[in-house]
Amino acid sequence: SQQGEEDPQALSIQEGENATMNCSYKTSINNLQWYRQNSGRGLVHLILIRSNEREKHSGRLRVTLDTSKKSSSLLITASRAADTASYFCATDAGTGNQFYFGTGTSLTVIP
Amino acid sequence: NAGVTQTPKFQVLKTGQSMTLQCAQDMNHEYMSWYRQDPGMGLRLIHYSVGAGITDQGEVPNGYNVSRSTTEDFPLRLLSAAPSQTSVYFCASSYSRSGSYGYTFGSGTRLTVV
Repeated sequence: SQQGEEDPQALSIQEGENATMNCSYKTSINNLQWYRQNSGRGLVHLILIRSNEREKHSGRLRVTLDTSKKSSSLLITASRAADTASYFCATDAGTGNQFYFGTGTSLTVIP
Repeated sequence: NAGVTQTPKFQVLKTGQSMTLQCAQDMNHEYMSWYRQDPGMGLRLIHYSVGAGITDQGEVPNGYNVSRSTTEDFPLRLLSAAPSQTSVYFCASSYSRSGSYGYTFGSGTRLTVV
C-alpha cells in the first residue's frame, strides 16, 4: 500500500494549546494534502504542500514537509473546541492519478 | 450549491443484492474517485476516473464497477453485495488529476450488508 500513516492515532489537548500531528509516507510525491473530517461528515481540504516546498501556512495551520524523511507535520495553533475532528494526510505517490490517505489522527480539544 | 452530491445517504442490502451508489458534481471537475472508509483502515481508493470515458482501478476494486459517461456523474456499482462491503463510501472530485487544488468530498453513503 502507498498509504501514509499519521501519528499519534489519538490526541487530546486543552483549548488554547497547540496540536501537532505527523504523517509519514512511503514513496516520492508531487504533493501532500491535509484534510479534516468531523464526525459523520465528509472530508474537507485544509492545505496542500508541494514537494518543492518546506513549509506552508494557512490561518492557524502550519504544515511542514521533509521529503528526505518522507514525512510531514500539521500544527494547529491556539486550538479551539471546534477543531475536534479527525485529520488525514493524503499523498499522490508520484503518480498524480491516485491519492492515498492515511489512517488519521483523532484530535479532541477540551473546552 | 456547488459540490459533490452522493445518494443515498444510508442503505441496507442483503447479501447477493446489487445496487448503484450515485455521485454527481457540478464543478466541471475532470477527476473523480471513490473511497471506502472502515474503522482503523483510513480511506482506501476503489476506482477513479481522469475524465469522461476513462476509469481505472485503485487499491480495492474487487466487487465494484464504475463507468464515466459524463463529466458530472460517476456511479459505483456493487455487483453482488457481501458483508465485507459494509462501509462508508465517499466520492471525491478535483479540478485536476494531480489534485493541485485539493479534493472536494461528498457527505458519504453508509452501507450495511446483512
